[in-house]
Parts: sequence; structure tokens; C-alpha cells
Amino acid sequence: SQQGEEDPQALSIQEGENATMNCSYKTSINNLQWYRQNSGRGLVHLILIRSNEREKHSGRLRVTLDTSKKSSSLLITASRAADTASYFCATDGYNNNDMRFGAGTRLTVKP
Amino acid sequence: KAGVTQTPRYLIKTRGQQVTLSCSPISGHRSVSWYQQTPGQGLQFLFEYFSETQRNKGNFPGRFSGRQFSNSRSEMNVSTLELGDSALYLCASSTDYDRVFFGPGTRLTVL
Repeated sequence: SQQGEEDPQALSIQEGENATMNCSYKTSINNLQWYRQNSGRGLVHLILIRSNEREKHSGRLRVTLDTSKKSSSLLITASRAADTASYFCATDGYNNNDMRFGAGTRLTVKP
Repeated sequence: KAGVTQTPRYLIKTRGQQVTLSCSPISGHRSVSWYQQTPGQGLQFLFEYFSETQRNKGNFPGRFSGRQFSNSRSEMNVSTLELGDSALYLCASSTDYDRVFFGPGTRLTVL
């Protein structure tokens, strides 16, 4: 069963704008990871944030985690057409490698 | 380091047949997990192997099985294929409680 839900389900923006995607989950976690998936391909790891962290940055990506609200957000700044993809959050189960995924946010960046 | 590799990339089978998919994890990663991705159910956890032992199992029927070899390479097998088994099968590897990296997937089509 899926653990989390991403919001919105789809997002369409212009190149150069920022994109914010949210993820909510149901149970306590150790880690939360964000992934990108281009159509029909494998998942590309973006960021891992641990339950004792509140914010992490990687290049144009900023991830926040609020464990009290069981939610996380992924911000992509200065978006590019190449950022067009589906974005998923995944939370760990009993151990890190039994992950639960949400349905994903489909991001379209228009040139 | 080379990433997670999966073979074959594409496979077409008919109902009732069986199939074996192969995954080579990133060097040094002892945990290998498998996921099924379909448009209807999204990404679902199948099972995880660590040091040749199945450590976790998702909610899939016994037709889905796997194993891990001493070099951490893993295979998953699906017997008596059904139309609903058509999916992208993703393999992932990690060290414990750290980033989980995915392979490109095997696209299985059951006719």
C-alpha cells in the first residue's frame, strides 16, 4: 500500500519559475527520499533527508521536512525544460529498503 | 562507480509463462530490493534481500519470488504470468539506512 501522497498531482510552469511539490505520509520515518523519473525510465535519486533534519539543499533543489505534520516539500528553483518529469517521495518502512512511494507529481516545464 | 544494472531491459511473454529478471547492484551494496510500477497501482515494494537472505516482503502472491547471490547480484522470478503482471520492474540497491539507488528497470509485457 502507498504510504504517502504527493500534491499536486500535476504542475505546469514556465521555464525560470520555481516549482514546489509536497508530500505527506502516515507513519513515523527514519528517512525520506525524493526521486525523479523521466517517462518510463528508472528513478533518479535526488535527496535523502533524515528524520532529525529539517532542511537540505542540493544545487537548485531544496527539501524540507516537518515530522510533526508528517510532510515534506521539494522546491526546484529556476526550473528548466529538462526538469520535466515525475517526482516521487519515498519513506522507509521498518528498514530503509522497504520504501513506500506516493503517486507522484507530474511536473511540466514549458520552454 | 557503475550504477545499478538490470537485464533485460525489455521482455515480452505470454500468459502462463515464467520470467527471470536480473539485477546487479552498485559495488559494495549488500541490500537489493525490487519494486513493481504500474499506472494503476504506482510503485509497490516486492521484496528486499540483504546478504543472500530475504529481509522483507511486500504483499504480492507467491508467484513472485527472488534470490540473492553471494556477490549481491539478485534475480526475481515470476511464474505463471498474468496480464496484470505487465509492468516496469525496478531494482534498487543500497548500503543499510542510506540512499537507495534504482536501476533503469525491466519493462515486462505479458500478452
